[in-house]
Amino acid sequence: QKEVEQNSGPLSVPEGAIASLNCTYSDRGSQSFFWYRQYSGKSPELIMSIYSNGDKEDGRFTAQLNKASQYVSLLIRDSQPSDSATYLCAGGISSGSARQLTFGSGTQLTVLP
Amino acid sequence: DTEVTQTPKHLVMGMTNKKSLKCEQHMGHRAMYWYKQKAKKPPELMFVYSYEKLSINESVPSRFSPECPNSSLLNLHLHALQPEDSALYLCASSQDKRDVYTDTQYFGPGTRLTVL
Repeated sequence: QKEVEQNSGPLSVPEGAIASLNCTYSDRGSQSFFWYRQYSGKSPELIMSIYSNGDKEDGRFTAQLNKASQYVSLLIRDSQPSDSATYLCAGGISSGSARQLTFGSGTQLTVLP
Repeated sequence: DTEVTQTPKHLVMGMTNKKSLKCEQHMGHRAMYWYKQKAKKPPELMFVYSYEKLSINESVPSRFSPECPNSSLLNLHLHALQPEDSALYLCASSQDKRDVYTDTQYFGPGTRLTVL
């Protein structure tokens, strides 16, 4: 069974702190990983994608992938109240001619002013 | 530009009604997706179209009928829905690259559906 597990949360951090969001996956066939941010009542918005082992940085966001440990994380530096949202981790697999995403259950992040 | 548009934004329908949801993208993407999302749950994949052909149907009840008239447009026809079908319906698209590692899905704003 293909699964993506996220730390259940909810997670609260003070403004300016580092928020750490974690995700593990069970399917070694997953080769690409995506972090989406979803505000309440809105649709998922792509934050980061990562395909290779190691770190990938984009502004205040850093995604980390460790394929040996089947572990993906997202670090948000200098957290802002506007970062308060649900963060969805997703693993991408290829199924024939189509691409599928397997989503984790999401982690709700609250950044306290 | 990574815009996927969906109409309507909100839809209220009775169990005997027939309605349609529409999704459009002009990014040249060749894969389009329908997801259903219930409150506090992740999106659940319903259908995938690749190059205008249905490639995945995740055992969705026949009261949901997808249609892909062209590479930019995706419809979801609704008929005889149940109250438990009330949810946020999301459309997404991706390039459908042969390099699967970098194929990225972009979501539309969604249609909030309420079935009475």
